[in-house]
Amino acid sequence: DTGVSQDPRHKITKRGQNVTFRCDPISEHNRLYWYRQTLGQGPEFLTYFQNEAQLEKSRLLSDRFSAERPKGSFSTLEIQRTEQGDSAMYLCASSRRQGARETQYFGPGTRLLVL
Amino acid sequence: DAKTTQPTSMDCAEGRAANLPCNHSTISGNEYVYWYRQIHSQGPQYIIHGLKNNETNEMASLIITEDRKSSTLILPHATLRDTAVYYCIVRASDSGSARQLTFGSGTQLTVLP
Repeated sequence: DTGVSQDPRHKITKRGQNVTFRCDPISEHNRLYWYRQTLGQGPEFLTYFQNEAQLEKSRLLSDRFSAERPKGSFSTLEIQRTEQGDSAMYLCASSRRQGARETQYFGPGTRLLVL
Repeated sequence: DAKTTQPTSMDCAEGRAANLPCNHSTISGNEYVYWYRQIHSQGPQYIIHGLKNNETNEMASLIITEDRKSSTLILPHATLRDTAVYYCIVRASDSGSARQLTFGSGTQLTVLP
């Protein structure tokens, strides 16, 4: 399978704990996006990387959220001191610019439950 | 990016064509129309996108009106596996800076046996 992969698929944690999610994009895709989706809503953009550079992070929900893409390949999203309101599906997407078009392909998501 | 309006839900009989409408009356000349769908508990799946010409691929057809203010996604022979939330998204062409997708609430399509 050469699609976007995410790990873990499910995570249950207690309030106050830190969690880290990993995303492996499609090979040769230089752009990587993180989104969050709460129940009944469409995905909401969080942050974006082009290669290893994080070019947009103003939509990260708070300073407890951070993301990295150290070598321009896989990315991690960390949430520190989790709160019950962080319970959601966290989605990763990758893309490669092709002329004026860019198509984002999504992974299966990581579902987080904070108790 | 222009705002889109979609019906909240639609039903379609299995084997029949499913026609999903989307209004985007404020679309700009450089904005593409994208369609994604999301089957329950899975990540969104890309379906198709277009600028002003009609587009067709192995999954669906996209019909964009001449004034580009609305579009219709057509699934020619709907199956039960097509039951999903369908999102119509308008996004500017890539001008060198990446643009995130802005999802609305989408249309819940239910294919009935």
